[in-house]
Amino acid sequence: QKEVEQDPGPLSVPEGAIVSLNCTYSNSAFQYFMWYRQYSRKGPELLMYTYSSGNKEDGRFTAQVDKSSKYISLFIRDSQPSDSATYLCAMRFTDKLIFGTGTRLQVFP
Amino acid sequence: EAGVVQSPRYKIIEKKQPVAFWCNPISGHNTLYWYRQNLGQGPELLIRYENEEAVDDSQLPKDRFSAERLKGVDSTLKIQPAELGDSAVYLCASSFFRDNSYEQYFGPGTRLTVT
Repeated sequence: QKEVEQDPGPLSVPEGAIVSLNCTYSNSAFQYFMWYRQYSRKGPELLMYTYSSGNKEDGRFTAQVDKSSKYISLFIRDSQPSDSATYLCAMRFTDKLIFGTGTRLQVFP
Repeated sequence: EAGVVQSPRYKIIEKKQPVAFWCNPISGHNTLYWYRQNLGQGPELLIRYENEEAVDDSQLPKDRFSAERLKGVDSTLKIQPAELGDSAVYLCASSFFRDNSYEQYFGPGTRLTVT
């Protein structure tokens, strides 16, 4: 079993839709939880990170962590074609980052 | 501020040939990482440097891969000889410590194709 599981998609939604991206993990020692966005032929860029259970909001993005269920989510409101990318969840233990496989998202006009 | 710089962006080589990748991290970032990202997968750590010291190279295939970070700034990752299975994107990242955590900034990667 992988330490971090993520549905690879692809996910295709119309512009304006609410998108939900999810990851589960098995290692309860993970302390920080991140979401990266990766456009085609680019490196990942950090979108959001949190270290506690609950919600964290940044504009149209909301990161949610449930440590008791070992489950994290990223919600994108009012999705835009420019949100089309691969979204990677990542978990940190000390200074080691473990990535999910990424979910490919396509937002069509 | 310039981001993480990597070169070359693309490289095509035949198997058994050597190849080298170069990375220049963000100024002031002491920690440097090399990751490998296979198609449809997330990045996987190969090696991490704190200044010029390799502090985690447990996932680096040492029979064919080597890395160095002279003077604690630029870094080079080498593969010799390359195998077909080495085809992947090689990402360099750098980080600094803030708010009790490290934030990693990634370069655009080098896409390696081994034929």
